[in-house]
Amino acid sequence: LAKTTQPISMDSYEGQEVNITCSHNNIATNDYITWYQQFPSQGPRFIIQGYKTKVTNEVASLFIPADRKSSTLSLPRVSLSDTAVYYCLVGEGAPGGYQKVTFGTGTKLQVIP
Amino acid sequence: KAGVTQTPRYLIKTRGQQVTLSCSPISGHRSVSWYQQTPGQGLQFLFEYFSETQRNKGNFPGRFSGRQFSNSRSEMNVSTLELGDSALYLCASSFRGIGTEAFFGQGTRLTVV
Repeated sequence: LAKTTQPISMDSYEGQEVNITCSHNNIATNDYITWYQQFPSQGPRFIIQGYKTKVTNEVASLFIPADRKSSTLSLPRVSLSDTAVYYCLVGEGAPGGYQKVTFGTGTKLQVIP
Repeated sequence: KAGVTQTPRYLIKTRGQQVTLSCSPISGHRSVSWYQQTPGQGLQFLFEYFSETQRNKGNFPGRFSGRQFSNSRSEMNVSTLELGDSALYLCASSFRGIGTEAFFGQGTRLTVV
């Protein structure tokens, strides 16, 4: 299993762009990277997923360098409601197939007014 | 559409007892995966079921088991409960598997005394 490492916590002011990096040095060729957001007393919520280069959706962007040993979740113009824990997940195997999953330790993002 | 439903939401059990938790996935989803979340260990993958078959398993002792029914509802069982089993147990439902977008329930908070 690819071990992942994330910063334990981050602070940001409202309106700023936030970048959270996840290290996964032992990622395998067919592994994918997925990010989830979790609020207190709730289950995690899917944010974005990618294999390589850049993926963008309506809420975030995911940057994966060529060596795939890390990935960066980018949240544009955060608001107070983005205060949550963000998890990086690395899965072995193609999406939908046989796979093991490893969650990162999570990054607690605190957005400051 | 209805989300993922986990029952019960809260549970208190005594050491040595066994417990069964239930998860009803989103209609049409065939994959149900289970996770244990504790402050010390974070989110840990237990196992995944797809179309009634256990497709993957994390590194948990045999006291943790599960099953999935033909309607995709899943149950998780923990036998001979230990104090360290106190945790939030989350299930996630997805169409193709955890590597794709998954929807989590609110979890069952298990306290072992």
